[in-house]
Amino acid sequence: QLHLQESGPGLVKPSETLSLTCTVSGGSISSTSHFWGWIRQPPGKGLEWIASMYYSGSTYHNPSLKSRVTISVDTSKKQFSLKLTSVTAADTAVYYCGSQLAYYDTLTNSVGPQQVDYWGQGTLVIVSS
Amino acid sequence: DIQMTQSPSSLSASVGDRVTITCRSSQSISSNLNWYQQKPGKAPKLLIYAASSLQSGVPSRFSGSGSATDFTLTINSLQPEDFATYYCQQSYTPPFTFGPGTNVDIK
Repeated sequence: QLHLQESGPGLVKPSETLSLTCTVSGGSISSTSHFWGWIRQPPGKGLEWIASMYYSGSTYHNPSLKSRVTISVDTSKKQFSLKLTSVTAADTAVYYCGSQLAYYDTLTNSVGPQQVDYWGQGTLVIVSS
Repeated sequence: DIQMTQSPSSLSASVGDRVTITCRSSQSISSNLNWYQQKPGKAPKLLIYAASSLQSGVPSRFSGSGSATDFTLTINSLQPEDFATYYCQQSYTPPFTFGPGTNVDIK
């Protein structure tokens, strides 16, 4: 059973870069079975999917954030990371890392992320000066 | 982007009740619909994937149905631990959008 744990600063200044890391245990981050992704939730609001990445480097982004988001995987450390640039107060949220089950579509000969089956506990990031 | 809506936004129910939550997508998503339960201060938990498949370890009182644009989550015989917020999510095409949530509280 996978276990995911987020880490990173809880306070980021406006216009700076938010950087978070998720450490994976209980399974291989190089596995073909999962994408590794980020989801956020502003206080008192709903969930927003940010981006997901496959071990091969294939990445899916939310277009609303794509220009500011970088997601990467470090297989040697069993970690994946999120960088969100030029943050504003609107980026204040609980950030969750998660694993999305990979689904291979035989019709299109492609693999894509599906349900988030494992979640980290979440980390609150506040954007404030 | 595919827009997801849920109804009702909140409901009050009693232990033992049968509860039904509806999720609609702005375009057909086949059966690429997932349901999550979230309790205050906790991460969401996957309940149902692919519209009707029960995630391992989830009680059988939870069930899902639907396809294309209309989906339903049913909780048979609501238990005290089921009071939470429920979200649907489409995994048909990115961005993988979530519904706004349905809060189930105690009557």
